[in-house]
Amino acid sequence: SQTIHQWPATLVQPVGSPLSLECTVEGTSNPNLYWYRQAAGRGLQLLFYSVGIGQISSEVPQNLSASRPQDRQFILSSKKLLLSDSGFYLCAWSSGHEAFATNFGSGTRLTVV
Amino acid sequence: QKEVEQDPGPLSVPEGAIVSLNCTYSNSAFQYFMWYRQYSRKGPELLMYTYSSGNKEDGRFTAQVDKSSKYISLFIRDSQPSDSATYLCAMSGNNYQLIWGAGTKLIIKP
Repeated sequence: SQTIHQWPATLVQPVGSPLSLECTVEGTSNPNLYWYRQAAGRGLQLLFYSVGIGQISSEVPQNLSASRPQDRQFILSSKKLLLSDSGFYLCAWSSGHEAFATNFGSGTRLTVV
Repeated sequence: QKEVEQDPGPLSVPEGAIVSLNCTYSNSAFQYFMWYRQYSRKGPELLMYTYSSGNKEDGRFTAQVDKSSKYISLFIRDSQPSDSATYLCAMSGNNYQLIWGAGTKLIIKP
């Protein structure tokens, strides 16, 4: 069966510090990978998605970036965090023929102080 | 106007009641309609998805899509306290992106 791992679960970072969140998927090949952000009490905002190694599409201009160095690994990064980057970050995957049936990781709660 | 509208609630009902959760949308190109359940501090979990119009049933859960009215519903029968969560609707056309509702917080009172 397929599983998705996302870490860390919680993170407190000072303003201006770098960020690296990692996500890996097991049990499937060539998944579509996504990074979402969820503000408190609100819906999900798609940040990045990738349909293959090295292929990244950005939905929201900001100081975040994403990379996909391996087929089942997706990384969210920032060089300098802002207070407004605080939120709940979710990695997700779907398979090519069922892109609508997206499955989520457990999330990372990021607080920028 | 948002592409997907969903009442954020909270919706509070007694245990055993039938729950009705709804979303409306504006894009007639949407073909896939999903319902996710999200417990506090957890990632969303896919409950059900439906392609085009019609009903789909899975245990105590029934999803309905009315494309003519651009309206989707999720019904929960015999609601349990463990059903207390935020329910998010999502929809998409023939691409990789999902358009999300804001989520409805549901509280089932014992």
